[in-house]
Amino acid sequence: QKEVEQNSGPLSVPEGAIASLNCTYSDRGSQSFFWYRQYSGKSPELIMSIYSNGDKEDGRFTAQLNKASQYVSLLIRDSQPSDSATYLCAVKPSPGGSYIPTFGRGTSLIVHP
Amino acid sequence: SQTIHQWPATLVQPVGSPLSLECTVEGTSNPNLYWYRQAAGRGLQLLFYSVGIGQISSEVPQNLSASRPQDRQFILSSKKLLLSDSGFYLCAWREEGYHGYTFGSGTRLTVV
Repeated sequence: QKEVEQNSGPLSVPEGAIASLNCTYSDRGSQSFFWYRQYSGKSPELIMSIYSNGDKEDGRFTAQLNKASQYVSLLIRDSQPSDSATYLCAVKPSPGGSYIPTFGRGTSLIVHP
Repeated sequence: SQTIHQWPATLVQPVGSPLSLECTVEGTSNPNLYWYRQAAGRGLQLLFYSVGIGQISSEVPQNLSASRPQDRQFILSSKKLLLSDSGFYLCAWREEGYHGYTFGSGTRLTVV
């Protein structure tokens, strides 16, 4: 059973701080990794994708991938109250299988003023 | 640009009643389409996916069914709803060759 694990939180950070969200996965052959943001009562929105080891930056967001350790992280710099949401990690299985990603249950982030 | 429409936004239905949720995608051809359910406090559960007209794959045995009568239309149905069918239903599409999803706005279903 392919699994994606996230700490449910909530993770509480002050405004302006760096929020660090982590995700581990069990399928060592996984090659595509995604972060979705879901505001309360709304649908998930894709915010980052990463395919290679290392860091990928997009504005205040940085995704970090370490395939050897089987974890992927999302860093949010200069956190704002508008970043308060649940962040879902999704991992696409090994090549040759279906394109269906496995989702984690999400980490709730609260940014307080 | 591509857009995905899902309706209704909210629905309250009695146990044993039928269900029909519709999802349409604009601005693309032959999208891969998905139905997910998100129960309160739980993760996303894949219900059905479709790679083309009339092609439906079911991930979980249950009293729900799906159909794809047109290239950009995906319908989720039930003949008789159960209390356990309550949840947030999400339609999503994925462009061929790209692995990220775009989700619709969702339908919050409450079965009473």
